[in-house]
Amino acid sequence: DAKTTQPPSMDCAEGRAANLPCNHSTISGNEYVYWYRQIHSQGPQYIIHGLKNNETNEMASLIITEDRKSSTLILPHATLRDTAVYYCIVRVENSGGSNYKLTFGKGTLLTVNP
Amino acid sequence: DAGVIQSPRHEVTEMGQEVTLRCKPISGHNSLFWYRQTMMRGLELLIYFNNNVPIDDSGMPEDRFSAKMPNASFSTLKIQPSEPRDSAVYFCASTRSWGGYGYTFGSGTRLTVV
Repeated sequence: DAKTTQPPSMDCAEGRAANLPCNHSTISGNEYVYWYRQIHSQGPQYIIHGLKNNETNEMASLIITEDRKSSTLILPHATLRDTAVYYCIVRVENSGGSNYKLTFGKGTLLTVNP
Repeated sequence: DAGVIQSPRHEVTEMGQEVTLRCKPISGHNSLFWYRQTMMRGLELLIYFNNNVPIDDSGMPEDRFSAKMPNASFSTLKIQPSEPRDSAVYFCASTRSWGGYGYTFGSGTRLTVV
């Protein structure tokens, strides 16, 4: 799986958009970008994933650059409950085979301040 | 949907004792993963199963660790004998082995070996 680079920490004001960057310059054509987060003392939680088009769901938006070498996770209106470690992971999509394990890096600690 | 269920939530044991952690994946999910999390090493994949068959156990630290999945609805991770350095939070996760599904993690078992 391609490696990712994320800033170790970021701050965001409550109610503002949180933009979390991720660099994945060695991503392969068949690798997806996945985002998970881990709130303190809980298991990681799936947020969103995408291949090359921008994606949006009820939790967040994912913007992937045209060359796919970087992406940004956007939480449009951050709340205190969004304080967590956010992980950006790139890997092939599940295809019924065996090569789809998730490897977590150190992620970005996002702190949402009141 | 009750999610991924892990038991116990907390376990304190003495060095040398056998420890068994349990996991019930989400019904319909055919892939199951065991992770370990510590401050020093972050989230590490220990082993994963596809259709109840172990696919990759390269993350299992040593022979003291073993994992089984006797059926689609139950898995165990056993440590025998336990050592203080095994103290960590152990997470179980499940997913479907096809398509762009994210992993669903359990709440984890916090293991303390004294």
